Amino acid sequence: TQLLEQSPQFLSIQEGENLTVYCNSSSVFSSLQWYRQEPGEGPVLLVTVVTGGEVKKLKRLTFQFGDARKDSSLHITAAQPGDTGLYLCAGGPDYKLSFGAGTTVTVRA
Amino acid sequence: KAGVTQTPRYLIKTRGQQVTLSCSPISGHRSVSWYQQTPGQGLQFLFEYFSETQRNKGNFPGRFSGRQFSNSRSEMNVSTLELGDSALYLCASSLLQGSIGEQFFGPGTRLTVL
Repeated sequence: TQLLEQSPQFLSIQEGENLTVYCNSSSVFSSLQWYRQEPGEGPVLLVTVVTGGEVKKLKRLTFQFGDARKDSSLHITAAQPGDTGLYLCAGGPDYKLSFGAGTTVTVRA
Repeated sequence: KAGVTQTPRYLIKTRGQQVTLSCSPISGHRSVSWYQQTPGQGLQFLFEYFSETQRNKGNFPGRFSGRQFSNSRSEMNVSTLELGDSALYLCASSLLQGSIGEQFFGPGTRLTVL
């Protein structure tokens, strides 16, 4: 059973479109992390959100942490083929990171 | 500085055999965590080592074990391999113990059990 539920599982969009990936849990997290993993590589940390209601922007990526610290979203504006990858959210009580199953994003040129 | 390195990158074993995977963390990082990634279960935490001591452990059977050396390099061992052990094994290093600090992942070792 996944502690963190991600949706959708797969997302295929055209270059220039926007997309949103969701990460939900019934548990409260002290912090949530978002990673991107490309084929043949390990995940790379994109951002860590720690405060309920927090919004962080990383160029065309916007991350939001829910007020209750149980959910988070990742929004990509004007997606590019380079955004293609597996997006993972992760949170961890007690120093053990739990990962969501991930959202596979494909951006077509 | 050099990233996290894992060896070997690919491994093929048969059921019943044992395997040892190696991870060299980023210089100065004392925490090494191991994860198993499969299409069905996603990324699952195996264990974490910090200063040569296992600090945290996930829900895996005792066939999965690990250790960390004084130079922070870590090895993971899986004994009596089963078909279901086929997965990508990732290690991640961090300055801080636990998941609070940023974790830097290696490229993984792809293990196939036949």
